[in-house]
Amino acid sequence: GESVGLHLPTLSVQEGDNSIINCAYSNSASDYFIWYKQESGKGPQFIIDIRSNMDKRQGQRVTVLLNKTVKHLSLQIAATQPGDSAVYFCAETMKTSYDKVIFGPGTSLSVIP
Amino acid sequence: NAGVTQTPKFQVLKTGQSMTLQCAQDMNHNSMYWYRQDPGMGLRLIYYSASEGTTDKGEVPNGYNVSRLNKREFSLRLESAAPSQTSVYFCASSEALGYGQPQHFGDGTRLSIL
Repeated sequence: GESVGLHLPTLSVQEGDNSIINCAYSNSASDYFIWYKQESGKGPQFIIDIRSNMDKRQGQRVTVLLNKTVKHLSLQIAATQPGDSAVYFCAETMKTSYDKVIFGPGTSLSVIP
Repeated sequence: NAGVTQTPKFQVLKTGQSMTLQCAQDMNHNSMYWYRQDPGMGLRLIYYSASEGTTDKGEVPNGYNVSRLNKREFSLRLESAAPSQTSVYFCASSEALGYGQPQHFGDGTRLSIL
C-alpha cells in the first residue's frame, strides 16, 4: 500500500470473493517480507512471511506473491469473510540491517456482507 | 497464553508530565521493541532491545527512554510529554533480532498529550 496523506487506500470486497492487497516496498536490498493484519483497536497480527528466495508462499486462505523485479508484494485472501475486515500492511527487512524493519502505511479492507 | 501485554490501554497527560508505559511478554522472546503509530503512517521504531541487558535507539528515539527490566519486561518512559507524542504506542517481541523473525505485538497504549 502507498500512503495517501492521512487516508489509507481502501479496498471493498464482496463476502466470498477473493481479495488482493498490494504493497510496493522501498528497498531493493530487502530480503524478508511480512504481512500483518490490524483490526480496529488491536495490535498488528502476523499473517504470513516470505523470503526473497521465493516467489510465492501459501498459508491458510492466504497467498503472498513476491516480484523482486518491480519491488512488489501482494497478499491474496481467498473467499473473503467479514472477519477479514482490517488494515493490512507489509513490512520489509534485510539481513545486513535486521534491526530495521520498514512498515508500510497499510490498506484498509472492507468486506461487504 | 497472553502473548504481549501492554498497560495502560489509554492515558491522557498534560504537557510536561511524565509517565511510563509497561510491556511484558510471556513467550520467552529475547528481543523486544517499542513503536509508535500515527494516522496514515507506518509503524516507526522508537527503541529496541536485542536481548536482556541491551537497548538501542530506533528511528525516532528523541523524548523517550527505555528500560529492559528483565527478559519479560520492557518499559518506555516519557520524561516530559509533548503534544507531538500523542500517538498509539505498540510493544512487540520476537524470538531473536534477526532475519526471519516475525514480531508479535501487544494491543497498544493510546496516549493523548494535551
